[in-house]
Amino acid sequence: EDQVTQSPEALRLQEGESSSLNCSYTVSGLRGLFWYRQDPGKGPEFLFTLYSAGEEKEKERLKATLTKKESFLHITAPKPEDSATYLCAPQAYDKIIFGKGTRLHILP
Amino acid sequence: KAGVTQTPRYLIKTRGQQVTLSCSPISGHRSVSWYQQTPGQGLQFLFEYFSETQRNKGNFPGRFSGRQFSNSRSEMNVSTLELGDSALYLCASSFGTSGGETQYFGPGTRLLVL
Repeated sequence: EDQVTQSPEALRLQEGESSSLNCSYTVSGLRGLFWYRQDPGKGPEFLFTLYSAGEEKEKERLKATLTKKESFLHITAPKPEDSATYLCAPQAYDKIIFGKGTRLHILP
Repeated sequence: KAGVTQTPRYLIKTRGQQVTLSCSPISGHRSVSWYQQTPGQGLQFLFEYFSETQRNKGNFPGRFSGRQFSNSRSEMNVSTLELGDSALYLCASSFGTSGGETQYFGPGTRLLVL
């Protein structure tokens, strides 16, 4: 059965304190893995797509990496405006499966 | 380029009523997917439409249905509303022609069932 687990469920960091969010997945026929950011009451905002193990993508303070079983979202020197829920979504052959997300809170 | 739009943004209904939500995809996108988001279950896939045909379906009861028009706009209908249907309903669009395509989400419709 296709599954995706994100950890931790919630994370509080001080401004400038770097950390990583984890996405573990079991998906048949992975076609891609997406990362989204979601602010309260809004739709998810696209961040990255990763297609193959070893691939990395960066955007400002965020870097996403992919292995055969996991993806990591590294956040370097975060700012309060990086506070949001981060969603991981691997795509199987015919569907996209969303994790429940990591709620990230950056304290000033 | 305009993003995905959803109407209405907020809706209050009572149990037993039905509701129709609308989604206009990004211009050129032919695939529209619908999701239900609740605090306990996260984002759950309802169905996907491509070129006016339902291409994939999640595990939701038949009270949830949808359709897509020739201009790629999509509607979702929920009949005989239950309290548990209260959620944020999100629509996402993509080109739909191959796997691994990015889906772009609208702002959602917040449905409250009383």
